[in-house]
Amino acid sequence: GAVVSQHPSWVICKSGTSVKIECRSLDFQATTMFWYRQFPKQSLMLMATSNEGSKATYEQGVEKDKFLINHASLTLSTLTVTSAHPEDSSFYICSARRLAGEEQFFGPGTRLTVL
Amino acid sequence: SQQGEEDPQALSIQEGENATMNCSYKTSINNLQWYRQNSGRGLVHLILIRSNEREKHSGRLRVTLDTSKKSSSLLITASRAADTASYFCATDGWDSSYKLIFGSGTRLLVRP
Repeated sequence: GAVVSQHPSWVICKSGTSVKIECRSLDFQATTMFWYRQFPKQSLMLMATSNEGSKATYEQGVEKDKFLINHASLTLSTLTVTSAHPEDSSFYICSARRLAGEEQFFGPGTRLTVL
Repeated sequence: SQQGEEDPQALSIQEGENATMNCSYKTSINNLQWYRQNSGRGLVHLILIRSNEREKHSGRLRVTLDTSKKSSSLLITASRAADTASYFCATDGWDSSYKLIFGSGTRLLVRP
């Protein structure tokens, strides 16, 4: 149990377009989901915390208008990278937490390449 | 922001040897977790140690926590080539947000 999926696993897009990444908890209800970004050979940087039915909380330095997060249900959160530019190219990873659970379960990640 | 540093940044050992990775953090924590990441893949949870625990074992893994020094170590015994991966520590603070702040990571290479 406790499987998290991400879709797509990779995406290539042109500069200026928007890209939506989905994060789903497949066999549990996730009250909280987290979005991370990871540049090559670097660690994971937390971008935002997403709670079902409420606005996401963004970390300092993360533009909320550029990275739109929607957590519409207990099993789905989406991250939309708006007007993507080459510097947004990165590995985006989500994680999900059960209600009253300590552990986060991570998705397999989405590699975004902006040309 | 990153919570702290891990050392070494990279470690190369022979199969069968032990690998030790260290993690330091900056603020008070509720728990500390270790994760493994194969190249270009998602994270696999290895072990969680709470702030009131000093040592924990899971198979070939041994984790210690010293809250007075704000540091933790991960020991992998009898390493295998399949252990080759990046290893990250992550801290969960006391603010009830359940946010994980990751360390800088150690890239482990186990030579067959």
